[in-house]
Amino acid sequence: EAQVTQNPRYLITVTGKKLTVTCSQNMNHEYMSWYRQDPGLGLRQIYYSMNVEVTDKGDVPEGYKVSRKEKRNFPLILESPSPNQTSLYFCASSRPGQGAGELFFGEGSRLTVL
Amino acid sequence: GQNIDQPTEMTATEGAIVQINCTYQTSGFNGLFWYQQHAGEAPTFLSYNVLDGLEEKGRFSSFLSRSKGYSYLLLKELQMKDSASYLCAVREGTGGFKTIFGAGTRLFVKA
Repeated sequence: EAQVTQNPRYLITVTGKKLTVTCSQNMNHEYMSWYRQDPGLGLRQIYYSMNVEVTDKGDVPEGYKVSRKEKRNFPLILESPSPNQTSLYFCASSRPGQGAGELFFGEGSRLTVL
Repeated sequence: GQNIDQPTEMTATEGAIVQINCTYQTSGFNGLFWYQQHAGEAPTFLSYNVLDGLEEKGRFSSFLSRSKGYSYLLLKELQMKDSASYLCAVREGTGGFKTIFGAGTRLFVKA
């Protein structure tokens, strides 16, 4: 089954404790992206990647890091989480140029930073 | 800069038709998408427009006017299960495919 898998789905952590949210897709998609979703603000792009070893900042990159060492994986790293990073995070992938090139989303990771 | 506007909430009756509007300002337009998101779930793809005009897909249609920076999503024969948020999104850039989302429109379908 074609899917985007994120882990963990739910996480409560404390300020300053480094964490990684993993994202993996099995559709051989070149493009992957991370979004955060907050009430009233919608989905805001954190980072995106056009292919292996190619990443770029989205609209809200501060406090986040990403890497794209393999085509299928695109982890999101919070080196020193703060309470304002409490949010719902979505990973997405697509194949630009194939049909509409629409985004396929993971199920989301709800992060709470105390 | 980038800006996508859509109404925050709408209410409609089961069996009726509803139109959700979206206006946008962007540089390097490369397609407009509509996604549906049920509460607590991930967004799922509904429709795509890159040229002006109407795209129809079953009970859902989407319209685009690039010169006006305007799109709408039309939902016909509303069902209770259509109660969800509808996200307007614009893909931009000829090289990087960056997708910007509006804040979403919450649609409530009542019996």
